[in-house]
Amino acid sequence: EADIYQTPRYLVIGTGKKITLECSQTMGHDKMYWYQQDPGMELHLIHYSYGVNSTEKGDLSSESTVSRIRTEHFPLTLESARPSHTSQYLCASSGPDRVIPTDTQYFGPGTRLTVL
Amino acid sequence: GDSVTQMEGPVTLSEEAFLTINCTYTATGYPSLFWYVQYPGEGLQLLLKATKADDKGSNKGFEATYRKETTSFHLEKGSVQVSDSAVYFCALIFTGGFKTIFGAGTRLFVKA
Repeated sequence: EADIYQTPRYLVIGTGKKITLECSQTMGHDKMYWYQQDPGMELHLIHYSYGVNSTEKGDLSSESTVSRIRTEHFPLTLESARPSHTSQYLCASSGPDRVIPTDTQYFGPGTRLTVL
Repeated sequence: GDSVTQMEGPVTLSEEAFLTINCTYTATGYPSLFWYVQYPGEGLQLLLKATKADDKGSNKGFEATYRKETTSFHLEKGSVQVSDSAVYFCALIFTGGFKTIFGAGTRLFVKA
């Protein structure tokens, strides 16, 4: 079982607020990811990280920022939330499987963000 | 570029029906292939995977076989249950690669 956690699970905030979505994993994976997803729809990669002090923008442009100061922690920040940011945000990490040395991506439970 | 194509949903079945969700891929090599499942309000869970041609991944009654000749990885289950209602994502990654490429997802509804 994957050990990757996201908090909060649900967040409703007003326009203009600064928010940070937390993501932590206990698997020691170097690679971590943030996806944006309308519920049940296609995944859009917005940020990823190869390891500590490495962050890259993904395929979908996002106004959010990320940091990677520790291996296990990959928080996402929105400086000024807007209604267009309303979505589900999924964090993931990947590393070799215990049995087969092929990277497998594991997901957290997601944060459902609503900006009023 | 590399890509994954899944059949469009929603797929609606009665309980105990046979399920097939088609997945084909385009890749310039030999990727590992995955199926993920997403239940309402949750993240994606790894359902099964296969790492080389002719490998069969299986879990919870679901199966998929890596077919290199048809570049396919169709998901099947012999008898679906209401609890299988979810969105299913097919995906690929290359060994040593970084990004997993996901299909658009197929929503499954199972009626009692």
